[in-house]
Amino acid sequence: DAGVIQSPRHEVTEMGQEVTLRCKPISGHNSLFWYRQTMMRGLELLIYFNNNVPIDDSGMPEDRFSAKMPNASFSTLKIQPSEPRDSAVYFCASSPRSITGMANYGYTFGSGTRLTVV
Amino acid sequence: QKEVEQNSGPLSVPEGAIASLNCTYSDRGSQSFFWYRQYSGKSPELIMSIYSNGDKEDGRFTAQLNKASQYVSLLIRDSQPSDSATYLCAVFHSNSGGSNYKLTFGKGTLLTVNP
Repeated sequence: DAGVIQSPRHEVTEMGQEVTLRCKPISGHNSLFWYRQTMMRGLELLIYFNNNVPIDDSGMPEDRFSAKMPNASFSTLKIQPSEPRDSAVYFCASSPRSITGMANYGYTFGSGTRLTVV
Repeated sequence: QKEVEQNSGPLSVPEGAIASLNCTYSDRGSQSFFWYRQYSGKSPELIMSIYSNGDKEDGRFTAQLNKASQYVSLLIRDSQPSDSATYLCAVFHSNSGGSNYKLTFGKGTLLTVNP
């Protein structure tokens, strides 16, 4: 298995531009999570999906952030317009959908996207 | 609000010593517990999981769980410089109806093993 695949690995953009981050979860994992990590705040859960349906988006910082999961193998996190304070590493993680599966196996993380907004 | 607390460190130990990393959690109904290791600039990777009270050993790593005290720890024996990383504690919990379940992560403890 190729693991959780994220793209791009690095993104540098100017303030005000739209940024789209992409994620392909592990095949068969029906739960998908988007996290943001900074030195100050640690790992923050932004949103998660079960079976392509958003379950909890309470961590999305504001309306500039949106996430979609159009099918079981693809998700996007979009920031429009981007701001310098959005600079962080964004991780996608996936997990088996069932309580037993998640309880036993936890999450598998992708390699992350390092976003820099200048 | 389910909380997971870790000492942020840094924890510094000499090579060959035992490193002890601690974690407390607020949800008494939490069911399983995970330790992730994150090297600088890399993503978190799962290194240990534990579900029952007591100790679980895997090579140089031992996870310890005490549900009564709501406490989980990770011991690293014979610490090596390659163990230098941030260690994240994660707790699995679900709501009473079983419709909402997820991991909650602590902020991590930075471990430095000095040669």
